[in-house]
Amino acid sequence: GQNIDQPTEMTATEGAIVQINCTYQTSGFNGLFWYQQHAGEAPTFLSYNVLDGLEEKGRFSSFLSRSKGYSYLLLKELQMKDSASYLCAVVDSNYQLIWGAGTKLIIKP
Amino acid sequence: GAVVSQHPSWVICKSGTSVKIECRSLDFQATTMFWYRQFPKQSLMLMATSNEGSKATYEQGVEKDKFLINHASLTLSTLTVTSAHPEDSSFYICSASPTGQDTYEQYFGPGTRLTVT
Repeated sequence: GQNIDQPTEMTATEGAIVQINCTYQTSGFNGLFWYQQHAGEAPTFLSYNVLDGLEEKGRFSSFLSRSKGYSYLLLKELQMKDSASYLCAVVDSNYQLIWGAGTKLIIKP
Repeated sequence: GAVVSQHPSWVICKSGTSVKIECRSLDFQATTMFWYRQFPKQSLMLMATSNEGSKATYEQGVEKDKFLINHASLTLSTLTVTSAHPEDSSFYICSASPTGQDTYEQYFGPGTRLTVT
């Protein structure tokens, strides 16, 4: 079966750095997305990785290792508004999106 | 660009009634649209894939006669929850994939919160 694992919840301090991991076992791989979802709102796109390595975009970076079936989202200089759920989603061999359950990130002052 | 709207944003209805939710791509055409449901503290669950001019493809366990999907134009898909029950209360989110692009490139609407009393 297809499986995506993320921690259920993480807590971090304002101004700090946090890394949210995502491991996947899917039938094929055609890319991995990270989305941010605030409570009661729809997901918003953060990043898309299809090649190995680190993609940096402002305070957010996303890393992918296809051989390890592993990705992480790195958030720097955390702000209170970063409190949200972070969803990892993988595009499988049929070009379907397989969603992780999401990681709820709690930022404390 | 790539804006998707949903209407209504929230709706409260009585058990046994039907509710229609609209999903519109405002500045692009979308051959394919997706309908998701999300229960509190859970991830998105794909309900169905809607293709313009053809029948929707429903995920396993989703009743097609209860969740009617119509994708009559390249900018509009509708989801009708028929004979709604309290267990149908959820956050319904649509997404749209621009025509000509891979369908995993999806733009999400803001969601519709349905409460059935």
